[in-house]
Amino acid sequence: DTAVSQTPKYLVTQMGNDKSIKCEQNLGHDTMYWYKQDSKKFLKIMFSYNNKELIINETVPNRFSPKSPDKAHLNLHINSLELGDSAVYFCASSKLLVSSYEQYFGPGTRLTVT
Amino acid sequence: RKEVEQDPGPFNVPEGATVAFNCTYSNSASQSFFWYRQDCRKEPKLLMSVYSSGNEDGRFTAQLNRASQYISLLIRDSKLSDSATYLCVVEYGNKLVFGAGTILRVKS
Repeated sequence: DTAVSQTPKYLVTQMGNDKSIKCEQNLGHDTMYWYKQDSKKFLKIMFSYNNKELIINETVPNRFSPKSPDKAHLNLHINSLELGDSAVYFCASSKLLVSSYEQYFGPGTRLTVT
Repeated sequence: RKEVEQDPGPFNVPEGATVAFNCTYSNSASQSFFWYRQDCRKEPKLLMSVYSSGNEDGRFTAQLNRASQYISLLIRDSKLSDSATYLCVVEYGNKLVFGAGTILRVKS
């Protein structure tokens, strides 16, 4: 039933570790996104993919590497985690790469780096 | 000027009240505008799109003023269930830019 799902929901890890977050959408959408929401609640786009092709890379450190094995999946791998990476990461999808389309968000992954 | 700016609130209102939120944006070329709602510790969800002519969806009315680069959301007859953070969202090319949100608390 779930339209956009993410795993895990919570992730607690130590500085320097490498972790991955997975995202899947069953809406048949062409475009997927990763957003970061920090402690001040700003929701900022990190990446967007359209049909497995990277479209937006919003000046994110190269420790963050998205991977889209197919258009229903967009995973996020983070190397050498830092304290400042603590945030909620949301995956989203939209029908097309056109900003007038509604974006559907996953439930978020709350990452805490200690 | 920030890309999308909102009054963070919180707005504390009694049930039944009318409340209005404002938002300004800096890109005069933006064409698409939205209000999203985010409940505590949940994901954002689309509340409504904002059209040039203004649009209404039940108790919610959205207005756009392109000349002033200003968007508003009016909620009439507030319900307890309206308590949430309201995010003003503006298209900037091929991405959406979210405001920091306005917190609404409706009290009985």
